[in-house]
Amino acid sequence: DTEVTQTPKHLVMGMTNKKSLKCEQHMGHRAMYWYKQKAKKPPELMFVYSYEKLSINESVPSRFSPECPNSSLLNLHLHALQPEDSALYLCASSQDPPFEKLFFGSGTQLSVL
Amino acid sequence: GEDVEQSLFLSVREGDSSVINCTYTDSSSTYLYWYKQEPGAGLQLLTYIFSNMDMKQDQRLTVLLNKKDKHLSLRIADTQTGDSAIYFCAEAYNQGGKLIFGQGTELSVKP
Repeated sequence: DTEVTQTPKHLVMGMTNKKSLKCEQHMGHRAMYWYKQKAKKPPELMFVYSYEKLSINESVPSRFSPECPNSSLLNLHLHALQPEDSALYLCASSQDPPFEKLFFGSGTQLSVL
Repeated sequence: GEDVEQSLFLSVREGDSSVINCTYTDSSSTYLYWYKQEPGAGLQLLTYIFSNMDMKQDQRLTVLLNKKDKHLSLRIADTQTGDSAIYFCAEAYNQGGKLIFGQGTELSVKP
């Protein structure tokens, strides 16, 4: 199983809503990542978890709150987002050490109205 | 600073070979990667090359690495319409640090 599963695939939310993105992998990977991607641009790193601990936060606004409940699951909690936060949010995982051969999920396409 | 550069567009005819080029800056990268992204999908790890290798072949894909010039290329033999996608090269900057992506090359395959 080389799959990273993300739900939901599409999400539309208002600026006052609270929602969560979910990511799951069963490859035994110990590093998990959130990336943000605008159309036809490269992905931008947001957060890295290594062994369930937050190891990198790329100065992401606090309206994005990551959570790693266990080694297989990664969540991204969203609150009071802005329209410019509309993007494809990608989850990825890799074996330790981080950044060796990332496997990506298919993403959640987020629209903020 | 770290930087990875690619040309933005490439158009080929079905059956021809495609060559996508990439230049990078961090000579300490352990691995260099090629990812493929189809419309509306996530990134698929296509292939990668270890930094002490010059070439890697995997079916229709050939990766060439010139460490002296910090140049990476991906050759796709017998290109098919299903190969139409955006291709990103990436390097692991400063081992254990960021994964730096190029801007992506949009490959268009015409029948």
